[in-house]
Amino acid sequence: GAVVSQHPSRVICKSGTSVKIECRSLDFQATTMFWYRQFPKQSLMLMATSNEGSKATYEQGVEKDKFLINHASLTLSTLTVTSAHPEDSSFYICSARKTGGNGYTFGSGTRLTVV
Amino acid sequence: AQKVTQAQTEISVVEKEDVTLDCVYETRDTTYYLFWYKQPPSGELVFLIRRNSFDEQNEISGRYSWNFQKSTSSFNFTITASQVVDSAVYFCALDRGSTLGRLYFGRGTQLTVWP
Repeated sequence: GAVVSQHPSRVICKSGTSVKIECRSLDFQATTMFWYRQFPKQSLMLMATSNEGSKATYEQGVEKDKFLINHASLTLSTLTVTSAHPEDSSFYICSARKTGGNGYTFGSGTRLTVV
Repeated sequence: AQKVTQAQTEISVVEKEDVTLDCVYETRDTTYYLFWYKQPPSGELVFLIRRNSFDEQNEISGRYSWNFQKSTSSFNFTITASQVVDSAVYFCALDRGSTLGRLYFGRGTQLTVWP
């Protein structure tokens, strides 16, 4: 199978602090991972494409200085929400595609609440 | 531009009823991929099916079936003899052949199956 592990599943942080979310491909290598954001009862919107060993590609309107992405290995991508504010509260979910696989495997998501 | 429309925001059925979830897409690409994902209350996205633009064959998997019609740009999903465990949000998504991995999601359909 193709399993993607995402941690933490829930996090509450104070306004102004930074939060790191990890996305790991457990049984395959992923040169590319994707980060999505989902507001309550809304669709998923792609934030950025994470490329192993190079800079991430951000979608229009996504602040790259606020949402730092690091993809240092073939099995790990991290998303750091810097100086978080209440409006950053959302559900963040990553995905990766196993070469030869049929679809994109998603992590279990991280529910971020900024207070 | 790419766009996925799921006009049904919420559907309620009683167990054992059949239910069809609609999905209409827009793309100018000749090569593309269509997906259906299930999102239960826990939040993770469960892959259901991937279909490429050159394969219009309908597919059946147990109680699930999909009807892909390029003439109407639709990729509808039918659950036969629905069960309470089918209750979830279902997302239709489009993946452009030229930018594999960047999924464009519809807004989702909340399906509630009552016992």
